[in-house]
Amino acid sequence: GAGVSQSPSNKVTEKGKDVELRCDPISGHTALYWYRQSLGQGLEFLIYFQGNSAPDKSGLPSDRFSAERTGGSVSTLTIQRTQQEDSAVYLCASSLYSSGANVLTFGAGSRLTVL
Amino acid sequence: KQEVTQIPAALSVPEGENLVLNCSFTDSAIYNLQWFRQDPGKGLTSLLLIQSSQREQTSGRLNASLDKSSGRSTLYIAASQPGDSATYLCARGGGSSNTGKLIFGQGTTLQVKP
Repeated sequence: GAGVSQSPSNKVTEKGKDVELRCDPISGHTALYWYRQSLGQGLEFLIYFQGNSAPDKSGLPSDRFSAERTGGSVSTLTIQRTQQEDSAVYLCASSLYSSGANVLTFGAGSRLTVL
Repeated sequence: KQEVTQIPAALSVPEGENLVLNCSFTDSAIYNLQWFRQDPGKGLTSLLLIQSSQREQTSGRLNASLDKSSGRSTLYIAASQPGDSATYLCARGGGSSNTGKLIFGQGTTLQVKP
């Protein structure tokens, strides 16, 4: 597509439920990144994919968080047994390659609210 | 710790004024420095990317500089307009390898008054 698409744009869930957030990167972009933006914390790196593999998942805050990417395209970020501190905007970005020379294009984000 | 700091946190200026946003980072061994703009409720828009071998980049009324030795970058906005009102984020290429992984500052929220 023309840009990075994320869904849902807003998600309200109850504590303890699982949620899935989807990212559809720009067609042809091999690298895909997940970030989290929460009040007072700024933007935090979670994980990035080069193709379908994740060379760096160091930012995932706990084992309740996981992500996968299939077909070198769409990625899903899954949060199990959600907690209130998981409330944030989850941003996805993609770039042509994973080298630092490439500009990242961000999606509009998925706002997660855990009650 | 690879920290990125932005000063000031917020800035309000009258339309037409030239302004400078500051970004500092603790590790001079960076691969690149990027400036982004974020409008309320929206994602990030890339403004300028400066590679470690470069000293500045320009796009229209925007000019970004990079001084690795002092660990500083500045974003200069000329002849500011109300439409420039947004949060501006700087981010350095982070990690031990040259990847697109970024470490962000907290941002400077700019308001340009008509």
